[in-house]
Amino acid sequence: EVQLVQSGAEVKKPGESLKISCKGSGYSFTSFWIGWVRQMPGKGLEWMGRIFPGDSDTRYSPSFQGQVTISADKSINTAYLQWSSLKASDTAIYYCARRSLHAHNFDYWGQGTLVTVPS
Amino acid sequence: QSVLTQPPSMSGAPGQRVTISCTGSNSNIGAGYDVHWYQQLPGTAPKLLIYDNNNRPSGVPDRFSGSKSGTSASLAISGLQAEDEADYYCQSYDSSLSGPSYVFGTGTKVTVL
Repeated sequence: EVQLVQSGAEVKKPGESLKISCKGSGYSFTSFWIGWVRQMPGKGLEWMGRIFPGDSDTRYSPSFQGQVTISADKSINTAYLQWSSLKASDTAIYYCARRSLHAHNFDYWGQGTLVTVPS
Repeated sequence: QSVLTQPPSMSGAPGQRVTISCTGSNSNIGAGYDVHWYQQLPGTAPKLLIYDNNNRPSGVPDRFSGSKSGTSASLAISGLQAEDEADYYCQSYDSSLSGPSYVFGTGTKVTVL
């Protein structure tokens, strides 16, 4: 069974750094792109970027380029999303999702990680 | 950031048919990129509902169907049921000059009356 399990909720202060994780299982982790999607409170879905764990090829949405860093450790089947200096506006639920093998859609999703940065 | 436009809300009585539109442009849907649809039940992660314009993943009821034409796409829910009350998002690929990226629609909240 394909599963993406994300790390738990975080409460951080503005200016702090953070790295959240997404562990894949039940499939060949190095053969599928993993994407990250933001959902701000009460708002819609926004694609942030994606990584191919097989060779760490990474692509960012123009809106998030330079704002976050996406990485992966294929030895432990885990992808990461990190911030060097959080802002209150980073408060959101962050989802990781597996991109389908031969299509531009996301067929399996993690449960989401709530990041709260009080202002 | 959303470049795909959906109606904010739609509603229908049980058993009725609801159709959600997704309007894009010549850099995404109109460029020939496929459209996919996701269902997000309250408090849960999105779930793939329709892929490649009109295909259902295993386990998705055939009450859900998709179509695409020109720069737009549609998701139809026939025989509306109480458990269909959720947010629905379309998604495609965009090749605009600002940089290629995946794009989601603005989202539509479906209420079952």
